Amino acid sequence: GNSVTQMEGPVTLSEEAFLTINCTYTATGYPSLFWYVQYPGEGLQLLLKATKADDKGSNKGFEATYRKETTSFHLEKGSVQVSDSAVYFCALSDEGGTYKYIFGTGTRLKVLA
Amino acid sequence: KAGVTQTPRYLIKTRGQQVTLSCSPISGHRSVSWYQQTPGQGLQFLFEYFSETQRNKGNFPGRFSGRQFSNSRSEMNVSTLELGDSALYLCASLDPSGNYEQYFGPGTRLTVT
Repeated sequence: GNSVTQMEGPVTLSEEAFLTINCTYTATGYPSLFWYVQYPGEGLQLLLKATKADDKGSNKGFEATYRKETTSFHLEKGSVQVSDSAVYFCALSDEGGTYKYIFGTGTRLKVLA
Repeated sequence: KAGVTQTPRYLIKTRGQQVTLSCSPISGHRSVSWYQQTPGQGLQFLFEYFSETQRNKGNFPGRFSGRQFSNSRSEMNVSTLELGDSALYLCASLDPSGNYEQYFGPGTRLTVT
């Protein structure tokens, strides 16, 4: 079945450092891919998405490119801030019209001032 | 537009009891999905309702059930609670435009003692 694999955390960075969180997926067909962010005590917020190969999703300085050849959707940000500290989830939309998301295990990011 | 709301936000129950959680989707959204989030298992899909019908179901025992009302509000019920049911239960409503975007509520934190 479809699955998502994320790099394990926690990831600890200094403010203004470059961020990469790896995400790879296994899927038949062409799912949509998403990154969600969860701040402490809150639900998930959609950060960005891509719906087809070579699409680049971007939001708030974060970017991710849908790479079908490597089945990857890595999250990047050029300069992180303390306020980016959160848990980041990679997800794909399951197929066959099920509207079910499959999530990665999440990667905790901690940014130090 | 108001976001997805979930009530209650926190709940403490005793093993063997049953519990009902409520979710109101974004106005105009007719699909509601439920997810269970635990540290060990991560985010797992429970079920999805659309126009008062369960359209998809995850791999959870029959103690987990749900329903959706004509105004798209949804409830999920867990009977005969077990300690392992302690989790954050997240509800999400699906954007009806066909872009597969789901918007999550803040969750209900259920603790079973």
